[in-house]
Amino acid sequence: DAGVTQSPTHLIKTRGQHVTLRCSPISGHKSVSWYQQVLGQGPQFIFQYYEKEERGRGNFPDRFSARQFPNYSSELNVNALLLGDSALYLCASSLAAAGGPRETQYFGPGTRLLVL
Amino acid sequence: LAKTTQPISMDSYEGQEVNITCSHNNIATNDYITWYQQFPSQGPRFIIQGYKTKVTNEVASLFIPADRKSSTLSLPRVSLSDTAVYYCLVGGTSYGKLTFGQGTILTVHP
Repeated sequence: DAGVTQSPTHLIKTRGQHVTLRCSPISGHKSVSWYQQVLGQGPQFIFQYYEKEERGRGNFPDRFSARQFPNYSSELNVNALLLGDSALYLCASSLAAAGGPRETQYFGPGTRLLVL
Repeated sequence: LAKTTQPISMDSYEGQEVNITCSHNNIATNDYITWYQQFPSQGPRFIIQGYKTKVTNEVASLFIPADRKSSTLSLPRVSLSDTAVYYCLVGGTSYGKLTFGQGTILTVHP
């Protein structure tokens, strides 16, 4: 079975540009969450989408947005890139919508974004 | 969500058993304890999850004492490929949000 896939694997942008990252969840999973992982730290939650609706949002500025498509794939968009946006962006999929104490998320390999 | 405390780093040698302890003093009654493993430039991977006593799978064991204020991830006979960051998470998710701490960097030496 295919796991969570993300594209591209690596990306280099300059300050002020816009970037779009893509994620395809595991077949049958309807929930997609996005995380940002800065070097040396644990992943930080950005968004969760379920059935094409935003269900959760982390403490990130409005420059960050996302959407989910009818096939449950998702895009993360970041506008007006800053140097500090350089990070590994991870996508995770799960079956559940509202989460819960036992929910397990399955992560993709991530997209490494470098902002110059 | 319960705050977790783990050692920042640990060193071991091939073939040894490694135990990583996580403290979570304010764990809630319905919280589960979950461990993820992450290799460099890869996404975290679920290892094991438990609520109380002991859980074992093909990869690891998880020991949880009766008061549930701590837990220990046990990796039997580690190899070089077990070198990774290990995260202890408590409380599951709230609308798809996993809360990661700093994790423990495990380095296995030949």
